[in-house]
Amino acid sequence: DIQMTQSPSSLSASVGDRVTITCRASQGISNYLAWYQQKPGKVPKLLIYAASTLQSGVPSRFSGSGSGTDFTLTISSLQPEDVASYYCQKYYTAPLTFGGGTKVEIK
Amino acid sequence: EVQLLESGGGLVQPGGSLRVSCAASGFTFSSYAMNWVRQAPGKGLEWVSTISGSEGRTSFSDSVKGRFTISRDNSKNTLYLQMNSLRSEDTAVYYCAKATLYCGGGLCYDGAFDMWGQGTMVTVSS
Repeated sequence: DIQMTQSPSSLSASVGDRVTITCRASQGISNYLAWYQQKPGKVPKLLIYAASTLQSGVPSRFSGSGSGTDFTLTISSLQPEDVASYYCQKYYTAPLTFGGGTKVEIK
Repeated sequence: EVQLLESGGGLVQPGGSLRVSCAASGFTFSSYAMNWVRQAPGKGLEWVSTISGSEGRTSFSDSVKGRFTISRDNSKNTLYLQMNSLRSEDTAVYYCAKATLYCGGGLCYDGAFDMWGQGTMVTVSS
């Protein structure tokens, strides 16, 4: 089975900072990669699919890139409302594995 | 409005069984694959199972294979997860999630999860 490894597991950054989270697949998954945001006590929300396509309604400060095995989620200017855990997930073929998550906090 | 509403969670003893349900509304339920995802207290997201829209094809994570069964009743717009031989490590919030459907070039496939329910808590403890 393909494993999904996220890094870092947590980070602390200042408002306005550029934040980058990486996700690595143990085998190539083309662009079948999604990113989710889960705010404290809330339900996960789809941010990005197909590695780089922004879900409707998601602020443009979020962006995704990558293909194959290496992927990146970038927040161009961190906002207080972006405090959350972020998860990558492979889809298309089972198992639909999630990464371990990255907790983003404000410094 | 698209809505998913889970129910059926609760406290169950190790080795016991429980069935959780997810009532869907606001979309053509039978057209979409549906999923169960769980989250143990303070932990990350774990995919549990998927069932396709009309054919009823299923898949399971290794951690629940042989113990859990996923099913759907398209006439009732409801998704189910039957959990048997429950263990303490199955304690989690169980979310149902709708998969997107991508079609192009004559092919369609199930994509990312664009809608999630509020979750139902399952606690396995004596």
